[in-house]
Amino acid sequence: EIVMTQSPDTLSVSPGERATLSCRASQNVNINLAWYQQKPGQAPRLLIYRASTRATGVPARFSGSGSGTEFTLTINSLQSEDFAVYFCQQSNNWPRTFGQGTKVEIK
Amino acid sequence: EVQLVETGGGLVQPGGSLRLSCEASGFTFNSYWMHWVRQVPGKGLFWVARISHDGSSITYADSVRGRFTISRDNAKNTLHLQMNSLRAEDTALYYCTRDYDCSGNSCQLYGMDVWGQGTTVIVS
Repeated sequence: EIVMTQSPDTLSVSPGERATLSCRASQNVNINLAWYQQKPGQAPRLLIYRASTRATGVPARFSGSGSGTEFTLTINSLQSEDFAVYFCQQSNNWPRTFGQGTKVEIK
Repeated sequence: EVQLVETGGGLVQPGGSLRLSCEASGFTFNSYWMHWVRQVPGKGLFWVARISHDGSSITYADSVRGRFTISRDNAKNTLHLQMNSLRAEDTALYYCTRDYDCSGNSCQLYGMDVWGQGTTVIVS
């Protein structure tokens, strides 16, 4: 099983600043990596797939990069609605696995 | 509107059974791989099972294999999860979601782009 490890667990950021979230896979997942945002009481929302492609309707301030085992989600100029938990997920191998999540909170 | 609606959750004793359903609308259901993903409130996401668009290929997480059965009825645009021999650790909010789009000549991965609102399973 591929273990996905996200860092940090919590990120404190001021509105308007940039947030950089990391995700590391225990094995090569190529670019089969997605990022999701989840707010309290809501289902996850797809942000990025294939490591760097924004999903439909996702603002351009969200960007993804990386391949292999190291991935990054960058959120530029954080807006109030961006404070949430973010998960990475690999689709390269079975079972599909998720990271433990990074909470982005208001500083 | 593209939508997934889960039903069937509830309170069940250890060792009991439940059958979850997920009704799809607004898209060509028989073109997509479908998944069940669960989440303990306040915790992370755990992938449970997947079925290919035509039902020919099925995969399970180790912890549910042999106890859970995923199936689909493409004529009724519905996904199911039969859960037997339930354990306390199966307690979670269960989501259905889709990813691979097989409407073209080959299947394309676009991520889990549509999720239901979830149905709660409590084993106690």
